[in-house]
Amino acid sequence: LAKTTQPISMDSYEGQEVNITCSHNNIATNDYITWYQQFPSQGPRFIIQGYKTKVTNEVASLFIPADRKSSTLSLPRVSLSDTAVYYCLVVPSDTGRRALTFGSGTRLQVQP
Amino acid sequence: DSGVTQTPKHLITATGQRVTLRCSPRSGDLSVYWYQQSLDQGLQFLIQYYNGEERAKGNILERFSAQQFPDLHSELNLSSLELGDSALYFCASSVGGSAANYGYTFGSGTRLTVV
Repeated sequence: LAKTTQPISMDSYEGQEVNITCSHNNIATNDYITWYQQFPSQGPRFIIQGYKTKVTNEVASLFIPADRKSSTLSLPRVSLSDTAVYYCLVVPSDTGRRALTFGSGTRLQVQP
Repeated sequence: DSGVTQTPKHLITATGQRVTLRCSPRSGDLSVYWYQQSLDQGLQFLIQYYNGEERAKGNILERFSAQQFPDLHSELNLSSLELGDSALYFCASSVGGSAANYGYTFGSGTRLTVV
């Protein structure tokens, strides 16, 4: 499975755009890139998923370069409620019997 | 409400005891995944079931076991509990055998405290 590397923590201010980058150098051809958000004592929540180029939804954008060895989650104009841990996860699309483990995540702290 | 139901929400038990955590997946989802999250730790994958059969295994201790029933709900059994087993246990579900395309949907977790 592709190992992911993310910054441990990031700080931002309300209204700013936040970009969190994840490295996944040994991503496989059939793997998808998925991002989750987790608040304390809650289960992670699916934010966005992509395979290549750019994906945008009402919450975030996901940028994936052509080599797919990294991805960047972009949160536009963050607010205090965006303070959470963000996980990058590489997910195989096949049904092979492989374990799926989240990395350490990036702890985003948004200040007023 | 994510659609994934976990019970109980909180559980306090003594060392050496055995507990059962229950998970009902979101309607239509065939896969159930169990994760353990200790204080300030990441999510550790334990095990996945797909349509009643074990699909993938992670760092699950031999003292732990799980199963998925015909109605697709799943139970995680933890036995000979130790203090270090205190953690949040999350269940997640997905439509197919992989979390690709639609992602995981997580429940709100069961907080287990072993005293």
